[in-house]
Formats: sequence, C-alpha cells, structure tokens
Amino acid sequence: DGGITQSPKYLFRKEGQNVTLSCEQNLNHDAMYWYRQDPGQGLRLIYYSQIVNDFQKGDIAEGYSVSREKKESFPLTVTSAQKNPTAFYLCASSRAGGYTFGSGTRLTVV
Amino acid sequence: AQSVTQLDSQVPVFEEAPVELRCNYSSSVSVYLFWYVQYPNQGLQLLLKYLSGSTLVKGINGFEAEFNKSQTSFHLRKPSVHISDTAEYFCAVSERRNNDMRFGAGTRLTVKP
Repeated sequence: DGGITQSPKYLFRKEGQNVTLSCEQNLNHDAMYWYRQDPGQGLRLIYYSQIVNDFQKGDIAEGYSVSREKKESFPLTVTSAQKNPTAFYLCASSRAGGYTFGSGTRLTVV
Repeated sequence: AQSVTQLDSQVPVFEEAPVELRCNYSSSVSVYLFWYVQYPNQGLQLLLKYLSGSTLVKGINGFEAEFNKSQTSFHLRKPSVHISDTAEYFCAVSERRNNDMRFGAGTRLTVKP
C-alpha cells in the first residue's frame, strides 16, 4: 500500500542540538509539506516543496531547514535556532485533490 | 489568499445524538474543500472532500458535508455519533489554481456515554 512514513514517532532533543525528522512517501506525489501542530493552534506550515531540488518557506520557517534531493524524501532539520521546538510535526504529500498525511513525530526538548 | 474559520473549538455531545461541526471559508476564486479527522498522536485522515458536482458529499464513518457557495460554508454532520467519533476535526480549503491548502484551527468533538 502507498503512503507516507514518518520516523521516529517520538524524539527527544537536548538544548542546543540539531535533530532531523524523516519523511518518506511512495505515492509518486510531486509536492511535500511539513507542518507543526501545537495544542489549540491547528496546523502551521513550516516548509513545502513542489518539485525535487526546490523548496519554499512557509509561515514559520525560522529555526528549521529542509532538503529535497529525491522525490520520495523530504527530511526536516530542527536547528538549535528554534527556541521552542517541542511540538507534534506532520509531513504530507499531495497531488491535486487533497493531501495525504504521515502519522507524525512528537519532538520534546529535555 | 484563502482562509478557514471553524466556529466551535469544542463540541460535546451525547452518544447517538446528531452533531454538526461548522466551517466557513473565504476565497476570491474557486476552491476545493476538505474535512480531516485526527485521533490522538496520529496524523490527519481524510473524511471527505468536495471537488465539484453535487454539493452534498458523503464520507467515511457516516459523516457528510454540504457545500454552500452563497454562505461560503462547508459544515460537517453526522446523524448519530458514537464514542469512537471522539477526535479533533479539521476543515481545510485549497484554491483550484494551486495546491496551497489552509486549515482551520480544529474542533474537538467529545462524545459522552
């Protein structure tokens, strides 16, 4: 079955560390997205990519970085510059007519 | 750019009662409309979508929604809810000319026994 796989499901980060969240899809979708979800705030767009080797900042890109070297993969790095990284992170991919979401990664700063 | 407003942040209902979750959108162009459901610590799952055609859309788990262009609404309904329907529900809109999707803040549906 086609879908999106996010890993790990839970991730703990120490202050000052960079961490990378994985997102892989086998749906042959061109576009991929990263969202951050905080309680009561819905989904906020961090970065998106419409095609390989190209990506754009979303509404809250500061402190994050991405790459899109392969169509199937869109990893998100949470850098030490992100001052409040504890959140639930969702990856999605799309073709016209809707998004497909991964199961999410919960990142906690310890 | 398009935007979405979910009018209720929390909706408590008793089991087997009907429910309506309200969603209004704004956009200057034609749109696609979606409802997603999210269970705790999981991703979003598509409930239903309106792309074109009949304004009454039926989805999974017995949910349906009606697109009302004049009122710019896309309310979600279910005639009889179950405990298992307890979840967060998100309304979303994307413009037909691009794939940029915007989400509402979510409505927490709690079904009580």
